[in-house]
Amino acid sequence: AQSVTQLGSHVSVSEGALVLLRCNYSSSVPPYLFWYVQYPNQGLQLLLKYTTGATLVKGINGFEAEFKKSETSFHLTKPSAHMSDAAEYFCAVSLGDMRFGAGTRLTVKP
Amino acid sequence: EPEVTQTPSHQVTQMGQEVILRCVPISNHLYFYWYRQILGQKVEFLVSFYNNEISEKSEIFDDQFSVERPDGSNFTLKIRSTKLEDSAMYFCASSPGLRTYEQYFGPGTRLTVT
Repeated sequence: AQSVTQLGSHVSVSEGALVLLRCNYSSSVPPYLFWYVQYPNQGLQLLLKYTTGATLVKGINGFEAEFKKSETSFHLTKPSAHMSDAAEYFCAVSLGDMRFGAGTRLTVKP
Repeated sequence: EPEVTQTPSHQVTQMGQEVILRCVPISNHLYFYWYRQILGQKVEFLVSFYNNEISEKSEIFDDQFSVERPDGSNFTLKIRSTKLEDSAMYFCASSPGLRTYEQYFGPGTRLTVT
């Protein structure tokens, strides 16, 4: 069965520091992977996705993620955190429906 | 930019009552979904809908749940007899295609069952 696991339910970084949110997947077929962000009291917004082709994908708000088949990973990064990045981040794998990870809450300290 | 809308934003109901949550998907999308998120937990898939019928459902989506597309724009989720454990945020989503396509999520309806 396809699934994703997010390591770390809570990540805290200082403003300007590197953001790294970890996601590992389990899939018997080539996975289609997504990162969504959820701001307080809002719905889910797509940050980026990997389907085929280039393994480094760039998304909105300066985020990017790299698909690494050898490590079964799809970690999300941003070189320099901004206060507005504070939110819940969900990794997901698409089977048709989305199977989400448990989420990682990102806190950005001034 | 087109977006998925949901009404109401917050619904309070008594246990045993029926509720209908409404969604207007993006107009040219073909696939429609309902998800729920219990407070502090992950987003869980409930059901997908295509070509006027359910294409997939999870084990959560039991006989108390039903979905309908009563006209060309609305997509509804009905819970026949609500239970306390149905309290959650319910998200509607739509997409133009399967798997490689992202799903566009609405802002959610917070359902509180008392």
